Amino acid sequence: EVKLEESGGGLVQPGMSVKLSCATSGFTFSDYWMEWVRQAPGKGLEWVAEIRNKVNNYATYYGKSVKGRFTISRDDSKSIVYLQVNSIRSEDTGFYYCSRGYFDYWGQGVMVTVSS
Amino acid sequence: DIVLTQSPVLAVSLGQRATMSCRASQSVSISSINLMHWYQQKPGQQPKLLIYRASNLASGIPARFSGSGSGTDFTLIIDPVQADDIAAYYCQQSRESPYTFGAGTKLELK
Repeated sequence: EVKLEESGGGLVQPGMSVKLSCATSGFTFSDYWMEWVRQAPGKGLEWVAEIRNKVNNYATYYGKSVKGRFTISRDDSKSIVYLQVNSIRSEDTGFYYCSRGYFDYWGQGVMVTVSS
Repeated sequence: DIVLTQSPVLAVSLGQRATMSCRASQSVSISSINLMHWYQQKPGQQPKLLIYRASNLASGIPARFSGSGSGTDFTLIIDPVQADDIAAYYCQQSRESPYTFGAGTKLELK
């Protein structure tokens, strides 16, 4: 059974950093690209970042609103994908979902609230 | 960026057909591969993949869901609509990064 579970969210002060994790199981993690998608409260879905697999040189791509502040990374030995969020802003508040590269499996999401 | 346009709300009666559209600002097709996908999201839940590459039913999705289209115009059909289908529906393109989503169509009961 494919599983994805995000963690690391919570209340974060503006300007600070947070690192989200997505632990996976049930598939060969190293074969897949991995994604982060977020959703502000009451709003639609926004693609955030992608990291490709070793065959694709672990290439990374970002949405325009997060480029330069967010960093996606992965640990194939642990089957975990990360999202480092720096210089966090109020508009970064929302649920953050990780997904397998075909967007066929999603985690339950983790809430990040940016507030002083 | 590729902009995807969806109607915000669609009201239907149970047992009827629901037709949702998604229009892209530029083609999302490469050769004969249409890189448009559809998701369902219920309140408090993560999105669920319904249709991939425009017309392929994702695993475990009932056959009352179907998708069609190419180039810039795509359609998601639910026929017949059941009570469990009341949700938000999003289209998404993977033709190029950033992989943009439409703003979503909220399916409501008439």
